[in-house]
Amino acid sequence: KAGVTQTPRYLIKTRGQQVTLSCSPISGHRSVSWYQQTPGQGLQFLFEYFSETQRNKGNFPGRFSGRQFSNSRSEMNVSTLELGDSALYLCASSSTGTGDGYTFGSGTRLTVV
Amino acid sequence: KNEVEQSPQNLTAQEGEFITINCSYSVGISALHWLQQHPGGGIVSLFMLSSGKKKHGRLIATINIQEKHSSLHITASHPRDSAVYICAVTPNTGNQFYFGTGTSLTVIP
Repeated sequence: KAGVTQTPRYLIKTRGQQVTLSCSPISGHRSVSWYQQTPGQGLQFLFEYFSETQRNKGNFPGRFSGRQFSNSRSEMNVSTLELGDSALYLCASSSTGTGDGYTFGSGTRLTVV
Repeated sequence: KNEVEQSPQNLTAQEGEFITINCSYSVGISALHWLQQHPGGGIVSLFMLSSGKKKHGRLIATINIQEKHSSLHITASHPRDSAVYICAVTPNTGNQFYFGTGTSLTVIP
């Protein structure tokens, strides 16, 4: 079966711009969670969606937002990009998101210049 | 404050050696996960544990819930095991992960 698909794989943006990243979960999975990975901070949780509802949110500014569609695909948006937003953004999907198996996507590498 | 602590940060081993990576956590959890990340970024979930021990091939993961500690063992290590191994926990309180900082493993032929 198809894995978790993240698009695009690479992205270069300018400070002040906004960006939208996409994550298509494994078929049947209703939970999608997002993570930011940087060399300095490691992996950090951004937010988690289940059945189009945000259930949990990490400690990130309001410039980071997300949504989930009825087909479970999810998008995250970062507005007013800063240099420090340069990172690998990963999403993971699971059936329920409550401790069952997770499958990660390959990530989107965002570079802000 | 880090909810998850891993050790060691870096590990170099000769091919064939037995390897242990340790993880301690400070929150109540519903599950603990061991993840593998190769250069290029993709993450693979190796194990999800809530008690006891699991084994996949040469990899063994154990967890002691009372001591809030888990170990990942690799037997007969191979250069293809070279990767970053990350411990993560799913807390009782929410649907998310807390991550350790990772252990970078290099296995030399």
